[in-house]
Amino acid sequence: EDQVTQSPEALRLQEGESSSLNCSYTVSGLRGLFWYRQDPGKGPEFLFTLYSAGEEKEKERLKATLTKKESFLHITAPKPEDSATYLCAVDDKIIFGKGTRLHILP
Amino acid sequence: DADVTQTPRNRITKTGKRIMLECSQTKGHDRMYWYRQDPGLGLRLIYYSFDVKDINKGEISDGYSVSRQAQAKFSLSLESAIPNQTALYFCATSALGAGTPETQYFGPGTRLLVL
Repeated sequence: EDQVTQSPEALRLQEGESSSLNCSYTVSGLRGLFWYRQDPGKGPEFLFTLYSAGEEKEKERLKATLTKKESFLHITAPKPEDSATYLCAVDDKIIFGKGTRLHILP
Repeated sequence: DADVTQTPRNRITKTGKRIMLECSQTKGHDRMYWYRQDPGLGLRLIYYSFDVKDINKGEISDGYSVSRQAQAKFSLSLESAIPNQTALYFCATSALGAGTPETQYFGPGTRLLVL
């Protein structure tokens, strides 16, 4: 059974304190892995798509990486406006993880 | 204007009532999806449609039905609402992929409370 697990469930960081969020997956033949950001009361907003192991993508303070079993979302020197829930999803019928709630303290 | 719109944005209904949630998109995408989101359970797929004549059940379709009225419109119905259908509902769209999965674009959500 395809599965996506995100850790930690919640993470509190001081402004400027870098960290990583994890997304581990078990799917039969990964076609793509997505990262989304979701603000409270809003729909998820697309961040990245990764297609193959070794691929990396960056956007501002965020960098996503992919291996054969997991993906990491690295956050460098975060700011309070990076506070959100970050969702990971796989395949084109889209199986979502439960998300990581990130809170950046000023 | 938003590319994916959902109506209503909030709805309170009673057990046993029939309700319909509507989704419209101006992105020109063929694929449309309905999800529900519950605290601690994440986003779960209810139904999806890859074109007007194609409707597929997702992970949790029981108690729900859908209608794809046009390429741009995809409605979700609860024939007889029950309290455990209280959730945040999202519509999403994506373009027809050429062998690789496509990015999904989400609407703003409909918050449903079933009393």
